[in-house]
Amino acid sequence: GAGVSQSPSNKVTEKGKDVELRCDPISGHTALYWYRQSLGQGLEFLIYFQGNSAPDKSGLPSDRFSAERTGGSVSTLTIQRTQQEDSAVYLCASTPQGGGGYNEQFFGPGTRLTVL
Amino acid sequence: SQQGEEDPQALSIQEGENATMNCSYKTSINNLQWYRQNSGRGLVHLILIRSNEREKHSGRLRVTLDTSKKSSSLLITASRAADTASYFCATGAGGTSYGKLTFGQGTILTVHP
Repeated sequence: GAGVSQSPSNKVTEKGKDVELRCDPISGHTALYWYRQSLGQGLEFLIYFQGNSAPDKSGLPSDRFSAERTGGSVSTLTIQRTQQEDSAVYLCASTPQGGGGYNEQFFGPGTRLTVL
Repeated sequence: SQQGEEDPQALSIQEGENATMNCSYKTSINNLQWYRQNSGRGLVHLILIRSNEREKHSGRLRVTLDTSKKSSSLLITASRAADTASYFCATGAGGTSYGKLTFGQGTILTVHP
């Protein structure tokens, strides 16, 4: 079946503009994660949605970052008033429900964001 | 913050040799996973080991976990040029962090043909 998809694959924007990044998880997966990866670095956790529970927003770096997940499926990560330090690859992942937390995460190809 | 610390940061070997990467972490976990990333894009899951397991195998991969030392190692045997990638360990704490993973900085592996 289809994997996790993300759009756009690349986004170039000017400092101060808002951007929206989209993630379509694998059908039926109830958990969805957003990560940020700066050049040559590991993954930085941003936000986590699990079913109908309140999202874990503990990784969002500032109030310019927000995310929503509509209908328990598609998620949008919004960055307002982008800054050059927001330039990174934004990765989305999903996992099925259950498993006691012992679930592998299925990653999308990422969106490469460049803020000029 | 990153929990996992990986060692070495970069590893360069010849095809056919074995590659060993290490990961250390700080807090209690209920599982540890290894992922591979090609060309700086999406990650692919390789193997998961639970906190009550000490060793796990999958094909040419062997993972060990020592919870007393809070460390894990990933061994790739008989490496191939196609194994060239970045490798990340990720820890899951369980409990209220259900399903959430914390990733290390990664090891860049280069396998020369």
